[in-house]
Amino acid sequence: DAGVIQSPRHEVTEMGQEVTLRCKPISGHNSLFWYRQTMMRGLELLIYFNNNVPIDDSGMPEDRFSAKMPNASFSTLKIQPSEPRDSAVYFCASRDRQGWNTEAFFGQGTRLTVV
Amino acid sequence: AQTVTQSQPEMSVQEAETVTLSCTYDTSESDYYLFWYKQPPSRQMILVIRQEAYKQQNATENRFSVNFQKAAKSFSLKISDSQLGDAAMYFCAWGNEKLTFGTGTRLTIIP
Repeated sequence: DAGVIQSPRHEVTEMGQEVTLRCKPISGHNSLFWYRQTMMRGLELLIYFNNNVPIDDSGMPEDRFSAKMPNASFSTLKIQPSEPRDSAVYFCASRDRQGWNTEAFFGQGTRLTVV
Repeated sequence: AQTVTQSQPEMSVQEAETVTLSCTYDTSESDYYLFWYKQPPSRQMILVIRQEAYKQQNATENRFSVNFQKAAKSFSLKISDSQLGDAAMYFCAWGNEKLTFGTGTRLTIIP
């Protein structure tokens, strides 16, 4: 398996623009997580899905952020409108939900810069 | 809500020496797992070691071992015989259905 695939790797956008980050989880994994990494706050869990259903979105910072998982092999995280404080690295991770001791596999992340 | 605290933003160690990274967590759950992940400059997140909360025996993986104190809610990582390739950010994580991470410790290896 190619692992968790995120696109794009880097995104530079202007304030006010819409940004869409994409993630393809590992085949067979039924849990998917979106994290945001910053120097100050480390890795923050934004939202996670089990079997394509959003379970906990309490980490989503505000209504400008939304996430979808239309099927088991694809998820998006959208920011509309984007702001400079959204600049961070966004990670997607997937996991086999059969056991809590299972490892979460991370994508390479998307570095978002909002200018 | 669960919280994970890593109180050492940065640590450094001489090559071949031993270093311990601290982690504490807060939870009311009784069934959970704990993890240490490594993030080198490549940005890739790599699992280093995991610990089942119901096991008293501390987990070990080659040069990496943990000191798990359940009552104190403490989960430290010991790296023995430090190598230059160990230089990275290290994240402690608490997990059951979801994974909650700390803010990380940046480890520098001094040649």
